[in-house]
Parts: sequence; C-alpha cells; structure tokens
Amino acid sequence: NAGVTQTPKFQVLKTGQSMTLQCAQDMNHEYMSWYRQDPGMGLRLIHYSVGAGITDQGEVPNGYNVSRSTTEDFPLRLLSAAPSQTSVYFCASSYSDVNTEAFFGQGTRLTVV
Amino acid sequence: GENVEQHPSTLSVQEGDSAVIKCTYSDSASNYFPWYKQELGKGPQLIIDIRSNVGEKKDQRIAVTLNKTAKHFSLHITETQPEDSAVYFCAASIWVDSSYKLIFGSGTRLLVRP
Repeated sequence: NAGVTQTPKFQVLKTGQSMTLQCAQDMNHEYMSWYRQDPGMGLRLIHYSVGAGITDQGEVPNGYNVSRSTTEDFPLRLLSAAPSQTSVYFCASSYSDVNTEAFFGQGTRLTVV
Repeated sequence: GENVEQHPSTLSVQEGDSAVIKCTYSDSASNYFPWYKQELGKGPQLIIDIRSNVGEKKDQRIAVTLNKTAKHFSLHITETQPEDSAVYFCAASIWVDSSYKLIFGSGTRLLVRP
C-alpha cells in the first residue's frame, strides 16, 4: 500500500493563478481531510469529506474548493491564489471519522508570489 | 471557537532525560486525543492516542495522561534519544456543526541533545 499520496511536492504560483493539489489514498478510508500548516499555528482544517459525494468546510475554507467523486481521491482547488495561501498543505485519511488514526501524506509546499 | 493550546513551543533536553508536553482543550464533549510526531520534511505520524474513558496509556517510552475535569492532557517521553527530536502536535476531536473535527495544537519542537 502506498498510503496517502500527494502531488505535487512543491509548487510556485503567481497571484491570481489557479491550481489543484492532488490527494489519493489506497486504504479504502471513508474520511479524508485537507490541512494547512503555517509556522506557530499548527495544522488548520480547510475542508473534509466523510465519504464519496459528501464534503464540508473546516476552520479556514475561504479560497479553496474540494470535491469527492470517488473514495480514493480528494483534490483541493485554489481558485485564485493569494500570497496568504503560501503554506504547506497536508492531506489525511482515516478509516471512519476523526476519532480514528489519521494517515497523512508527505505534504505540498506552495508558494504564491 | 473551540481550540487546543499546547506548551511549550520549544523544548530542549539532554539525552536520557524525560520530556513533557502539555495541552489544554476547551470543548468538554471532546472524546479523542491523539499525539502526532512530525519529522523534517514529512507528514505527521500518530505515536499514541487516548480516549475519554481512559486516564492514562503507555507504549514503551511514551505515555499520555488525560484529566477530563481540568480539560488537559500531556505527553511524557522517558529516556529520550536523539531520534525523538521532532515537532510534536496534540489534537482533540471537537463536535462542531453536526460532526467531529480534529483540532490541533500549535506544536512543540523537541530537541534531544546527545
């Protein structure tokens, strides 16, 4: 099993550009989530999904969209990148919900200039 | 809103000494408290977790204690080794908008000096 795979690992965007961060898991987990990690602020929840076809907002959803068309994939879309979205992004999956172990991907380091 | 506070932000210990990291949470309905270790350039990885019906849990050199009355929980690492150097995050599951969400503390950078 590959676990949780995120692509790309690094990305530089210009302000106003859009892009999609990819996340895939091969563990048949129902629950998937996206976090951003900023210095001194820990991990903050952006969006999450409790299963295919169901998504919801986390703590910091503005400027991001998600979709969950399959159990395996949970892409995160930046609609119009802003410098405030410079961060490290982590995708995670859990078997059922947040009350079980979360498996994290390796992260995507995004810089918006 | 609901939050999780973590202290200290940095911790430096001599190899062989113990390290303690403390977290407090605000939601009395929280029932799951995991601890994650993040090594440089990697994603966080679960090292131990505890549920609200248990006061203490141990796994070799690592232990977690939970005080539900005071709403705080702590990570204890004994006989620290250089490979324990990493950033550690506590988290608590919080019931918000009809579902549980995992809220993380701000992290503790642990340095174990050889």
